[in-house]
Amino acid sequence: GAVVSQHPSRVICKSGTSVKIECRSLDFQATTMFWYRQFPKKSLMLMATSNEGSKATYEQGVEKDKFLINHASLTLSTLTVTSAHPEDSSFYICSASVGPVYSEQFFGPGTRLTVL
Amino acid sequence: GIQVEQSPPDLILQEGANSTLRCNFSDSVNNLQWFHQNPWGQLINLFYIPSGTKQNGRLSATTVATERYSLLYISSSQTTDSGVYFCAVVTGGTSYGKLTFGQGTILTVHP
Repeated sequence: GAVVSQHPSRVICKSGTSVKIECRSLDFQATTMFWYRQFPKKSLMLMATSNEGSKATYEQGVEKDKFLINHASLTLSTLTVTSAHPEDSSFYICSASVGPVYSEQFFGPGTRLTVL
Repeated sequence: GIQVEQSPPDLILQEGANSTLRCNFSDSVNNLQWFHQNPWGQLINLFYIPSGTKQNGRLSATTVATERYSLLYISSSQTTDSGVYFCAVVTGGTSYGKLTFGQGTILTVHP
């Protein structure tokens, strides 16, 4: 299957700082990537859809100024958590599809963010 | 939006047992995937199955799109099968193919 990587896998930061998470499709080009958030013992919740060369589409209730998404190329999308606070601590996961809209999606290994 | 319900929420098995996990969805879908989330959080693709039946080793899946459900079968379970199993769907007309996840089934396999 297709491979998606994320970096870093784990990050601890102080409240008020910004953190950038990278998502890369390693062996395919992804026009669209997705960012999810998962709380402990809960399911995945879609935060935003990232499209190469255009603005991201955010789900209802997700602050676009808080979670900045940039899809600069067909293999890289970044999520920046700005002015992080303890309530932003979570497991962030990206995914990418290998083809057209309803194609199979593959997920990165996730990034665990802890804000002190 | 579409509702995705998985059952059972928890399942405890002895090694070697068989099991069936169910995923019900409230609208027609263009994509349905089953995932296994391992203890480190990685989502592993099991099946891409918007309709029909597929098999991969000890695992198989069936989606009956007209009746809006999918089943995941695990045979001769092993301790390494433990983890959370998610069903996720994409509905028709949804922009860019975003997945909606069920709440998951937590599977524990004891030796």
